[in-house]
Amino acid sequence: SAVISQKPSRDICQRGTSLTIQCQVDSQVTMMFWYRQQPGQSLTLIATANQGSEATYESGFVIDKFPISRPNLTFSTLTVSNMSPEDSSIYLCSGRTDQETQYFGPGTRLLVL
Amino acid sequence: AQSVTQLDSHVSVSEGTPVLLRCNYSSSYSPSLFWYVQHPNKGLQLLLKYTSAATLVKGINGFEAEFKKSETSFHLTKPSAHMSDAAEYFCVVRREDSSYKLIFGSGTRLLVRP
Repeated sequence: SAVISQKPSRDICQRGTSLTIQCQVDSQVTMMFWYRQQPGQSLTLIATANQGSEATYESGFVIDKFPISRPNLTFSTLTVSNMSPEDSSIYLCSGRTDQETQYFGPGTRLLVL
Repeated sequence: AQSVTQLDSHVSVSEGTPVLLRCNYSSSYSPSLFWYVQHPNKGLQLLLKYTSAATLVKGINGFEAEFKKSETSFHLTKPSAHMSDAAEYFCVVRREDSSYKLIFGSGTRLLVRP
């Protein structure tokens, strides 16, 4: 298994600003992912964080809005850029340790005013 | 298109009574299926997974799920609900076009009455 931590746990931001969320895994994982959970909704995959290269984004998500880094096997960051109230969500990081199991962080609760 | 449908947005049970959370999937192949639980203000925790081995899968905290191909279902059950089971439950299927991407159901909120 893997234990995943995220920072910050929550934040309140002003529109037009950016927030960087950090994700740390306690063991090496083969894949890392970022998800968004809008209020009262399910999880939607934003992108796959690739070590040492550009992230792979899902349809509807772009690098300019959600730049992602993964400098090593156990750490990744997601930036939410030029925020608007529609970006208010929970952002979750996950790591895959084997072919079939993903473990999730506790999430970052973002409110944009 | 591949999908997973959770048939109930809310389920309410009394403590000590059985729990049934329903999930149907669509998939061209034998799917990999998961149930995750999300407690308030907590991250997602894996309850159990089905990966084409035994059709009855046992998970943590007394939960189990049965894969029924003929019904394309993967319902989650527990014989006796506990107050601590109150949470949001997600049925999840692994995407066929990838070995690792997941598709989440809309979620079922389980309420447990004293």
